[in-house]
Amino acid sequence: EAGVAQSPRYKIIEKRQSVAFWCNPISGHATLYWYQQILGQGPKLLIQFQNNGVVDDSQLPKDRFSAERLKGVDSTLKIQPAKLEDSAVYLCASSLDRQMYQETQYFGPGTRLLVL
Amino acid sequence: GQQVMQIPQYQHVQEGEDFTTYCNSSTTLSNIQWYKQRPGGHPVFLIQLVKSGEVKKQKRLTFQFGEAKKNSSLHITATQTTDVGTYFCAGRSGGYQKVTFGTGTKLQVIP
Repeated sequence: EAGVAQSPRYKIIEKRQSVAFWCNPISGHATLYWYQQILGQGPKLLIQFQNNGVVDDSQLPKDRFSAERLKGVDSTLKIQPAKLEDSAVYLCASSLDRQMYQETQYFGPGTRLLVL
Repeated sequence: GQQVMQIPQYQHVQEGEDFTTYCNSSTTLSNIQWYKQRPGGHPVFLIQLVKSGEVKKQKRLTFQFGEAKKNSSLHITATQTTDVGTYFCAGRSGGYQKVTFGTGTKLQVIP
């Protein structure tokens, strides 16, 4: 079974530029998560999708971050414009469903973003 | 909002010693999961606990969920160098089952 795919793996941009990350979850997984993990900290949930609907985006800085999950499969996360403090690893994860016992999250390798 | 804290933040142990990390939530959780993240890697699921007072074992790892469902612990017996990494708990609560990761405990095992 293929895992969660993410691209790019690394990205270096200057502040005020835009960047987009892509995630392809495990086939059949209804729930998709985007996390921001700053060095030395735990993953922070940015947005959670159930199929193509948003379940939680309370910690997404909506003035600069946006995310979509078209057709309930792939997802993109965009930052526009980027700030220095956005430097982090952006992790995508998927789970089979939001129902109990089906919430195991499978993480992708992450995209390491450096904002200069 | 919900906060999940872990202690200690760092732990260095000699190989063969035991290790324990504690996870405390500011709110009652519906379930808690534990993940391990190796240096440079991504979190990997270890286990999920659902019931109050639940205890689960995986070889040398013992996981416990508190009676009040607000805390949890992970205990590793006789650590090995392969146990090196950061251990995170992740709790779910609320109507939308929002997941909050803990602050993590970084384990270093000295051979």
